[in-house]
Amino acid sequence: NAGVMQNPRHLVRRRGQEARLRCSPMKGHSHVYWYRQLPEEGLKFMVYLQKENIIDESGMPKERFSAEFPKEGPSILRIQQVVRGDSAAYFCASSPPGTGGYEQYFGPGTRLTVT
Amino acid sequence: QKEVEQNSGPLSVPEGAIASLNCTYSDRGSQSFFWYRQYSGKSPELIMSIYSNGDKEDGRFTAQLNKASQYVSLLIRDSQPSDSATYLCAVRSGGSNYKLTFGKGTLLTVNP
Repeated sequence: NAGVMQNPRHLVRRRGQEARLRCSPMKGHSHVYWYRQLPEEGLKFMVYLQKENIIDESGMPKERFSAEFPKEGPSILRIQQVVRGDSAAYFCASSPPGTGGYEQYFGPGTRLTVT
Repeated sequence: QKEVEQNSGPLSVPEGAIASLNCTYSDRGSQSFFWYRQYSGKSPELIMSIYSNGDKEDGRFTAQLNKASQYVSLLIRDSQPSDSATYLCAVRSGGSNYKLTFGKGTLLTVNP
């Protein structure tokens, strides 16, 4: 049973480019959460999505960041016009329906480096 | 601001000893508590969850929760070098049934 999958695992972008991070939840899971881990910092909640719905994006920066979880395909976190401060590890987690996100299981993360 | 505090460590223990990791949280309405283990450069791995006061044991791991003191801990018995990792405490507040607030983690080193 495959776990949460994320790709790419490592992503290098120059300032001003766009970054697209993908997350496929565990089989049977319909809730997806994105977290960001800055160097020497704890994980910070960014956004919670269900299929075709953004439930809570209170942790997302107001500009340049967006997320989606379409009916078909992976969840995508998009960062437009990246800046050096966006360099971090971005983790996706998933949980099954009906559990209220009780236990969240994390993917391997995408490590974004902005040069 | 809801906060979760952990000693950053590093906490160093000899192989075979008990490692004790502590966490305090500020939101008195918090309902669910989790311990994740994160090896360097890897993703967080859920190792324990606890929802009610008292102790919960799973193998060599014991989680302890005291809601009155807003304190949760993780004990690792018979520590092994493979337990060397950063341990993250995560809390779900009463106002949310999904959003986790993480501490910055405690780095544990188990010396052979």
